[in-house]
Amino acid sequence: QSVLTQPPSASGTPGQRVAISCSGSRSNIGSNAVNWYQQLPGTSPKLLIYTNNQRPSGVPDRFSGSKSGTSASLAISGLQSEDEADYYCAAWDDSLNGGVFGGGTKLTVL
Amino acid sequence: QLQLQESGPGLVKTSETLSLACSVSGGSISSSGYYWDWIRQPPGKGLEWIGSIYHSGGTYYNPSLKSRVTISVDRSKTQFSLKLSSVTAADTAVYYCARHQAFCTKTSCYPTYYYGMDVWGQGTTVIVSS
Repeated sequence: QSVLTQPPSASGTPGQRVAISCSGSRSNIGSNAVNWYQQLPGTSPKLLIYTNNQRPSGVPDRFSGSKSGTSASLAISGLQSEDEADYYCAAWDDSLNGGVFGGGTKLTVL
Repeated sequence: QLQLQESGPGLVKTSETLSLACSVSGGSISSSGYYWDWIRQPPGKGLEWIGSIYHSGGTYYNPSLKSRVTISVDRSKTQFSLKLSSVTAADTAVYYCARHQAFCTKTSCYPTYYYGMDVWGQGTTVIVSS
């Protein structure tokens, strides 16, 4: 059971906009920045969003992040086939004094 | 460009100690303001944070693994290491090393994932079997 809660799956057709939610608590998302990672099949995770809504250099602006209270969301607009991957949210947890991940969301592009 | 590379045995016997190293190239492991992380991913499952070590040696461990985990830095070899004792089949996973920047104020630095884990190794598979 992951500390952060994500839906196990999401899907969309090319060009659509999809959103993936991440729910936590006051000690993690409520107190600290949220990151999002993309893991393509057979590869290492890649930082997609940091500090709730910032994109590292090279990440397309189709990807955006937001946070409100103890929840966060990753939105992907103009969905493309190469976006098919697993997506994970992460944050530091002040109560556990450690990092916590969501269980991951498998995105399927139909 | 900083690169990380995990290394270690791919097969460990039940009840023994898993030992992995992460080599750092293209940058210094002693760079101020960075934490060095270990994360694992069991087959078909999600990511689990194992622990982090600051460039100066301070450590943070996952409470569920704390009694079995040791993370250390070897500056002479520009690498950091993971030791996980008394392993069982539940420890079978792909083990990743990564780096994240500390969040620093005027007086202190904190391990929170403000800037995210921006560099990851390719991962190494460890199977625990008797």
